[in-house]
Amino acid sequence: SQQGEEDPQALSIQEGENATMNCSYKTSINNLQWYRQNSGRGLVHLILIRSNEREKHSGRLRVTLDTSKKSSSLLITASRAADTASYFCATVPSGIIQGAQKLVFGQGTRLTINP
Amino acid sequence: DAMVIQNPRYQVTQFGKPVTLSCSQTLNHNVMYWYQQKSSQAPKLLFHYYDKDFNNEADTPDNFQSRRPNTSFCFLDIRSPGLGDAAMYLCATSRAWLPNNEQFFGPGTRLTVL
Repeated sequence: SQQGEEDPQALSIQEGENATMNCSYKTSINNLQWYRQNSGRGLVHLILIRSNEREKHSGRLRVTLDTSKKSSSLLITASRAADTASYFCATVPSGIIQGAQKLVFGQGTRLTINP
Repeated sequence: DAMVIQNPRYQVTQFGKPVTLSCSQTLNHNVMYWYQQKSSQAPKLLFHYYDKDFNNEADTPDNFQSRRPNTSFCFLDIRSPGLGDAAMYLCATSRAWLPNNEQFFGPGTRLTVL
């Protein structure tokens, strides 16, 4: 399977703390994306990091990418109750750019922020 | 607001009774995708359309088919649903031919098979 792995599978922290989730993947990539999924809903794109980038920020989100280790991490700082959701990493394998960009999802991390 | 819409949000069908799920988009994106997501699992790509070109994933069962009558609409047909097909079905869209592109997801249709 090309699917990546995420750890931890579940994470529970107090509001205000930082949350870190990790993702590993198996193939060379064009980019890696992080998505959030609230319970029973669709996925929302959070941030994209290209294969030639090492770190990217967006608001309270910080993403790192280590292509030599085929791994990425997502840091959410100053967590809020509304951050409670599942977080998925997804990779776009490198190679010939095609019309469609097929995402290969990791298994996800279930994040719970306790008030 | 430009968006991806899925109807219905919840669908109940009987074992073996054909069912159709609907997706529409106002983003005017070339590509539309259908994913299956079972409980506590990652979304799994079933197939996608690039304009009118249909692209099936190798491990997608024949029971699943799709139609895209125009740019805005795409349908997922399950010919004979089994209990194992109970899942959340997610539709997504993206622009084509851009290497660093996000996908826009609809809210999903949760399918129950009785």
